Amino acid sequence: DAGVIQSPRHEVTEMGQEVTLRCKPISGHNSLFWYRQTMMRGLELLIYFNNNVPIDDSGMPEDRFSAKMPNASFSTLKIQPSEPRDSAVYFCASSRRGVNTEAFFGQGTRLTVV
Amino acid sequence: ELKVEQNPLFLSMQEGKNYTIYCNYSTTSDRLYWYRQDPGKSLESLFVLLSNGAVKQEGRLMASLDTKARLSTLHITAAVHDLSATYFCAVTLNAGGTSYGKLTFGQGTILTVHP
Repeated sequence: DAGVIQSPRHEVTEMGQEVTLRCKPISGHNSLFWYRQTMMRGLELLIYFNNNVPIDDSGMPEDRFSAKMPNASFSTLKIQPSEPRDSAVYFCASSRRGVNTEAFFGQGTRLTVV
Repeated sequence: ELKVEQNPLFLSMQEGKNYTIYCNYSTTSDRLYWYRQDPGKSLESLFVLLSNGAVKQEGRLMASLDTKARLSTLHITAAVHDLSATYFCAVTLNAGGTSYGKLTFGQGTILTVHP
């Protein structure tokens, strides 16, 4: 399996622009997570889905952030409009329910908003 | 609110030495994870600890879990340079509920192993 695939790997955008991050989870996994990593705040959970349904979006910082999972193999995280403080590495992770399950992380998208 | 705290946050070791990283968490948890992150890279799963007294070992790393003390340790034996990385512990709640898999991470421990 190719693992969790995220795109793009790097994104540089101007303040005010819309940014869309994409994620393809591991096939057969039914939970998907979006995390953000910054030096100041560490790793924070933004939102997670079970069976394509958003379960907890309490970590989404503002209404500027939205996430969708239209099917089991694809999810997007959108920021509109973007701001410099959104600069971070955004990770997508997926997992499968089970006793020994663990979350597998994608390579991340490094977002820079200038 | 679940809080996860690691210490130390920075660890500089000489090759061949032993050391332990500690992970404390604030509320009852079903499982605890250790991850490794190399600079600019993703998180790699090292261990999943599921029950009190669980101990797992892989190479020079050994992880243990004491659910009563809400404490996990990651012990490094005879450190080598290749172990230099950031190590995170993470905890989940309510394995049977909808928050399953929702990881709360510690701050991370930056480990540097010197020759």
